[in-house]
This record gives sequence, structure tokens and C-alpha cells, in this order.
Amino acid sequence: DTGVSQDPRHKITKRGQNVTFRCDPISEHNRLYWYRQTLGQGPEFLTYFQNEAQLEKSRLLSDRFSAERPKGSFSTLEIQRTEQGDSAMYLCASSLDRSIQETQYFGPGTRLLVL
Amino acid sequence: SQKIEQNSEALNIQEGKTATLTCNYTNYSPAYLQWYRQDPGRGPVFLLLIRENEKEKRKERLKVTFDTTLKQSLFHITASQPADSATYLCALDVGYQKVTFGTGTKLQVIP
Repeated sequence: DTGVSQDPRHKITKRGQNVTFRCDPISEHNRLYWYRQTLGQGPEFLTYFQNEAQLEKSRLLSDRFSAERPKGSFSTLEIQRTEQGDSAMYLCASSLDRSIQETQYFGPGTRLLVL
Repeated sequence: SQKIEQNSEALNIQEGKTATLTCNYTNYSPAYLQWYRQDPGRGPVFLLLIRENEKEKRKERLKVTFDTTLKQSLFHITASQPADSATYLCALDVGYQKVTFGTGTKLQVIP
């Protein structure tokens, strides 16, 4: 399968625990995005990488959130000291660097439930 | 403030009819606009991109229009089928290789 993959697909955790999600983009794509989506809303931008460089972080991304993309391949998103408000679907997307067309290919998402 | 609005209520339509979904925006000047489809529990899937200098774009049964004066895009599905039932998201270019998504419109095609 050459699409974007995410792991795990589902995660249930207790408040205060740390969680880490992984995203494997399409192999030739050099841009990688993380979004958060809650029920009835569109995806909200969290952060994105161009190769291994994290170029932008949303103000939605508190200090408890950190993302990495070592070697410009897969990426991880870690949430420390989870809160119930962190419950959402976390989506990863990748794209190929082009001048204007920004077609993003999304993974299936990781659904997080914080109890 | 910047805003993207899509029909917040679900759209129910009879099979075979044309479904029309609306995306309105304010305080943006996007170079392009995209439409995605999202099924429950899955990530969005790209459907169409239309640039600011294009009035209309077609792909099979799909048609998108883009009116930069009205700040509006319309998304049409002709000869709709139950398999077209999903949530449809519009996404606007906001510069710096980023897009911002609307809240989506849930389409239900009734057999």
C-alpha cells in the first residue's frame, strides 16, 4: 500500500498519560501535515514539516504537544499529560512540493479518547 | 476575522438528482480552492482543485465553480447515487503551503 498510514488507529488513555502517534507519508512526499478534527468540524491545522524541518505550528498546539520528523520520513506527534479536551481524531497528510497545487493525501487518522 | 462557511445542516437529496453544496468565505484571497470527500471514521479524500483564474472545473459527475467576486464556490454532483453520501469539505489556500478547511456539509442521497 503506497498511501499514508497512521498508527495506532485508536487509542484510549487516562487523563494525565502521555501518548504518541506515528504517521508514515507517501514515500516521495516531502511535506507532512498534522491536523486535529472533532465531531462536526473540519480538520484544524496543527503543524507541518518540509522534509525534517518543522516550518509552522498552530497556536492550537500547546506546550504539551510536540511533533518530530527525523530524517524527513515518518513523523510522530506526542501529547503529554493528556486532557479530556484532547479527545479527537488526529489526521496526518502528506503532499509533494509544488509551486501552487497543494493536494494533500490523508491517512486514516488516529482516534484518541481521553477518559 | 477569516471565516469559511458551509451548509451546517445535512443535505438530503433524491437519487438521480443534482446535489449542490456551497462554500462561502470572507477575508481570504485564495489562489485556489479544493473540495474533499470524507466518509465516517476516515481521512478526507481529495476530489477537485480550482484556481482563482478558473470559473469552472469538471471531473466525471462532479463540477466546481469559483466566484472570487462573490467569494463563493459551488460543488455539484449530477445524477447523484447513494454511494455519494458522505461529508464534503471545502479547503482554501491561505498561503505558505497551507489550506484551511470548512466545517463540511453532510450529503445523504436517498434511494
